[in-house]
Amino acid sequence: TQLLEQSPQFLSIQEGENLTVYCNSSSVFSSLQWYRQEPGEGPVLLVTVVTGGEVKKLKRLTFQFGDARKDSSLHITAAQPGDTGLYLCAGDLGSNYKLTFGKGTLLTVNP
Amino acid sequence: NAGVTQTPKFQVLKTGQSMTLQCAQDMNHEYMSWYRQDPGMGLRLIHYSVGAGITDQGEVPNGYNVSRSTTEDFPLRLLSAAPSQTSVYFCASSSRAPSNQPQHFGDGTRLSIL
Repeated sequence: TQLLEQSPQFLSIQEGENLTVYCNSSSVFSSLQWYRQEPGEGPVLLVTVVTGGEVKKLKRLTFQFGDARKDSSLHITAAQPGDTGLYLCAGDLGSNYKLTFGKGTLLTVNP
Repeated sequence: NAGVTQTPKFQVLKTGQSMTLQCAQDMNHEYMSWYRQDPGMGLRLIHYSVGAGITDQGEVPNGYNVSRSTTEDFPLRLLSAAPSQTSVYFCASSSRAPSNQPQHFGDGTRLSIL
């Protein structure tokens, strides 16, 4: 059973387009994180959200945590080739020391 | 700016062999962890440590051992390698619990078991 479902699994878009990827669960998370991973490297943390309904912005990236703390979304405005990578969400189910990761969304932004 | 250093970067083993994947961090982080990443499976937690001398199991601990004798080092041992352990292994560290603090990852060890 996958506790964190990410969609879509793959996404290929043109430079300048907007996109949204999703992270959903039937469980309530105390906090949720988004990472980006590039080929041959480890994941890099983008943001942590902890409050239901919270919205955080990081330049062209907007992260939202659902009111019930069961889902999250990542919206990218005017995507650039440098945004290409695997986007992973991760959450804790009450244990601060054990993060559960989703399978990721592989984003390709074509010039 | 070393951060989290993993060695080796690549390794090929035969079934039944044992080996140790090394992980070292220079940020004085208390929390360290090992994940494996398989195609279509995301990252799965193998073992973690909240400080020197303290380790605990994650989601997929079978076939792996860990120890934490120092704050800096957190090696992962494969006791008797099996083809199912072919994967990319990532070590990570954070100053406190990873749900509250940024987790820093190494660049991974790509392991193939023949």
